[in-house]
Amino acid sequence: GQNIDQPTEMTATEGAIVQINCTYQTSGFNGLFWYQQHAGEAPTFLSYNVLDGLEEKGRFSSFLSRSKGYSYLLLKELQMKDSASYLCAVRDSNYQLIWGAGTKLIIKP
Amino acid sequence: NAGVMQNPRHLVRRRGQEARLRCSPMKGHSHVYWYRQLPEEGLKFMVYLQKENIIDESGMPKERFSAEFPKEGPSILRIQQVVRGDSAAYFCASSPKQISGNTIYFGEGSWLTVV
Repeated sequence: GQNIDQPTEMTATEGAIVQINCTYQTSGFNGLFWYQQHAGEAPTFLSYNVLDGLEEKGRFSSFLSRSKGYSYLLLKELQMKDSASYLCAVRDSNYQLIWGAGTKLIIKP
Repeated sequence: NAGVMQNPRHLVRRRGQEARLRCSPMKGHSHVYWYRQLPEEGLKFMVYLQKENIIDESGMPKERFSAEFPKEGPSILRIQQVVRGDSAAYFCASSPKQISGNTIYFGEGSWLTVV
């Protein structure tokens, strides 16, 4: 079966750095996405990785290792507005997006 | 350029009634996806449509649920004889072609409450 695993919840302090991990087992791989979703709102696109390595975009970076079936999202200089759920999704061989359950990130002052 | 438009944003139905959710994709997008999200859970794929065609409905329950994307007008997700377990957020997303680009675009969602 296809499976995406992420921690259910994480807590971090304003101004700090947090790493949210995602491991996956899917039938084929055609890219990995990270989305941010605030409560009651639609998911918004954060990053996309298809090759191994680190993609940096401002305060957010995403890393991929295809051989390990592993990705992480790194958030730096955390702000209160970063409190949200972070969804990892993998596009499989049928070009369908398989979604993790999301990691709820709580930022404390 | 308007984004993906969904309506209604919130819908309350009694058990046994029908729910109709509408989605207008972004201009120029001909591929529509419907997802369901239960509280505290991730997005679950339901159905993938192109104009007048259902491409993949493997995530949609066989009974009571149907979807269409007519040549003219929005895509519609229809739930007949709703039950309490249908209460969820239903998200529509669109892309210009099969998700071969880096993003798909989500609507704001429709929250269905069955009482």
